[in-house]
Amino acid sequence: SQQGEEDPQALSIQEGENATMNCSYKTSINNLQWYRQNSGRGLVHLILIRSNEREKHSGRLRVTLDTSKKSSSLLITASRAADTASYFCATDGSSGSARQLTFGSGTQLTVLP
Amino acid sequence: DAGVIQSPRHEVTEMGQEVTLRCKPISGHNSLFWYRQTMMRGLELLIYFNNNVPIDDSGMPEDRFSAKMPNASFSTLKIQPSEPRDSAVYFCASSFEQTPQHFGDGTRLSIL
Repeated sequence: SQQGEEDPQALSIQEGENATMNCSYKTSINNLQWYRQNSGRGLVHLILIRSNEREKHSGRLRVTLDTSKKSSSLLITASRAADTASYFCATDGSSGSARQLTFGSGTQLTVLP
Repeated sequence: DAGVIQSPRHEVTEMGQEVTLRCKPISGHNSLFWYRQTMMRGLELLIYFNNNVPIDDSGMPEDRFSAKMPNASFSTLKIQPSEPRDSAVYFCASSFEQTPQHFGDGTRLSIL
């Protein structure tokens, strides 16, 4: 079952603009992760934010987490055509050493050159 | 450094046939996950293994699906008999302890 719900489902922007994607979830989490999927390929991990963190940066990526609202956002600054992909949030609420993730429905981002 | 390797990349077969999907996780990873991705249901976890032992198979749709991990470097997902509604992209992912998951490029399965 999907815990994360993302919006928008699809986003189209011009190169150089910023892209913001949101994710909401339902249960308590250890951490929240964002993944990217290019067409015809597997998911690639982008960034992880722990439940006790509020904001994290990695290059042009900025992730926020609000555990009180059970929501997260992914901001991609100065977007490029190569950023065109689907972006998924995934929540980790598992215990033990094996990290079981629940993925959201994804946002399809199109960056127009 | 080889990533997660899945085979075949594409499989087209007729309903009723047995289908076997294969996965080689990243060396040293001790957790392996099988997912199914469809437009309607998104990405669903089918089963995952930790240290070659199945931990949670509650996502396996029905008894037609089975998965094995005979050793740390190989896993299979089998569908017997296959049905058209099994058509999807099947992903294998691996991880070590609490590190993020690494995904293969998937097997696109079409059941006619």
